[in-house]
Amino acid sequence: KQEVTQIPAALSVPEGENLVLNCSFTDSAIYNLQWFRQDPGKGLTSLLLIQSSQREQTSGRLNASLDKSSGRSTLYIAASQPGDSATYLCAVANQAGTALIFGKGTTLSVSS
Amino acid sequence: ETGVTQSPTHLIKTRGQQVTLRCSSQSGHNTVSWYQQALGQGPQFIFQYYREEENGRGNFPPRFSGLQFPNYSSELNVNALELDDSALYLCASSQPSSGGETQYFGPGTRLLVL
Repeated sequence: KQEVTQIPAALSVPEGENLVLNCSFTDSAIYNLQWFRQDPGKGLTSLLLIQSSQREQTSGRLNASLDKSSGRSTLYIAASQPGDSATYLCAVANQAGTALIFGKGTTLSVSS
Repeated sequence: ETGVTQSPTHLIKTRGQQVTLRCSSQSGHNTVSWYQQALGQGPQFIFQYYREEENGRGNFPPRFSGLQFPNYSSELNVNALELDDSALYLCASSQPSSGGETQYFGPGTRLLVL
């Protein structure tokens, strides 16, 4: 049974810092991995999707890496801003078009 | 291109009642998935519909049921509500058959069961 773990559960940093959020999964036979952002009480916004054949994806200040063999992904946020404050969720899909299995998320707070 | 919408935004019910939540998929998407997110947890997969047929189900009892309509909008029905059903219910649409595997989520319906 696939399980997804995110560390740390919460993180507080001052504005401008570069930071890394970690995600691990127990079954390396994934189809893709997706990072989402969730603001309090809101739905999820997709940030980056990495196919199982890819090693990383970049969008603006965000870079996500994937190491399938070790069951790990990291989300790197450069030059953090107060607007980045949110919960970041990692999710894996074991097959194409199927259910996403989520971690519990990392709640990020960026202070100005 | 319209995004995923859900209604209602908030709902309060009492134990034992029944509830119907609605989701309108993103334009052109033929697949919808429903998730339950308890406070402080990640979303848990309930079920998925593809072209009006159930296409996978998570570990939820039969009192959680769904429908997908020809226009690809969807409903989630929950019978005999229990206190633990209080959560944020999210729907997500996608178009896997066209290689679009990103799931796009709606804003959610927050259900409180008293």
